[in-house]
Amino acid sequence: QQQVKQSPQSLIVQKGGIPIINCAYENTAFDYFPWYQQFPGKGPALLIAIRPDVSEKKEGRFTISFNKSAKQFSLHIMDSQPGDSATYFCAASSVGAGNMLTFGGGTRLMVKP
Amino acid sequence: DGGITQSPKYLFRKEGQNVTLSCEQNLNHDAMYWYRQDPGQGLRLIYYSQIVNDFQKGDIAEGYSVSREKKESFPLTVTSAQKNPTAFYLCASSRTMNTEAFFGQGTRLTVV
Repeated sequence: QQQVKQSPQSLIVQKGGIPIINCAYENTAFDYFPWYQQFPGKGPALLIAIRPDVSEKKEGRFTISFNKSAKQFSLHIMDSQPGDSATYFCAASSVGAGNMLTFGGGTRLMVKP
Repeated sequence: DGGITQSPKYLFRKEGQNVTLSCEQNLNHDAMYWYRQDPGQGLRLIYYSQIVNDFQKGDIAEGYSVSREKKESFPLTVTSAQKNPTAFYLCASSRTMNTEAFFGQGTRLTVV
């Protein structure tokens, strides 16, 4: 069964801290790794995504690090703000093999003022 | 505006009743999905459809049914056979099965 394992389940940081959320996958055919952000009562929205041909991608304060050999990828939030408090989901799919998007279990992040 | 519209936002159902949740997209996406989310939990796949008139069961399809008669519409029926239907239901679509998924704003279903 294709799985994406996400950790931690919850995370509390102070404003300005750098929360790190990790995901690990099993299927070596995965070649698309997006992160979604979900605020309470809302649907998830795409935050940032990476392909395995690069090891890092930055968009604003959000950075994805990708380790192909370890089959792991992570999300870092620089200078975190209380407005970043949300649930974050990692996901993975393989465009070539036609595998649908598989989601991790989610991480509830709270950034304290 | 292009996007996915779910309706209603809140829905209350009496035990033993079937209820249908609406999902419409104007993104011209081929693939559509229904997920269930329980409080503090992740996304669990109920049903998905790759093309019109075709759909497949996801991980938790029991007690649910869907139809895909039009490309833009993918309604979900929660039947009386679903033992614990109270949850937040999310519809999503994507250009193909393995590309970026766009989500609606969700329908919160409560059984009273």
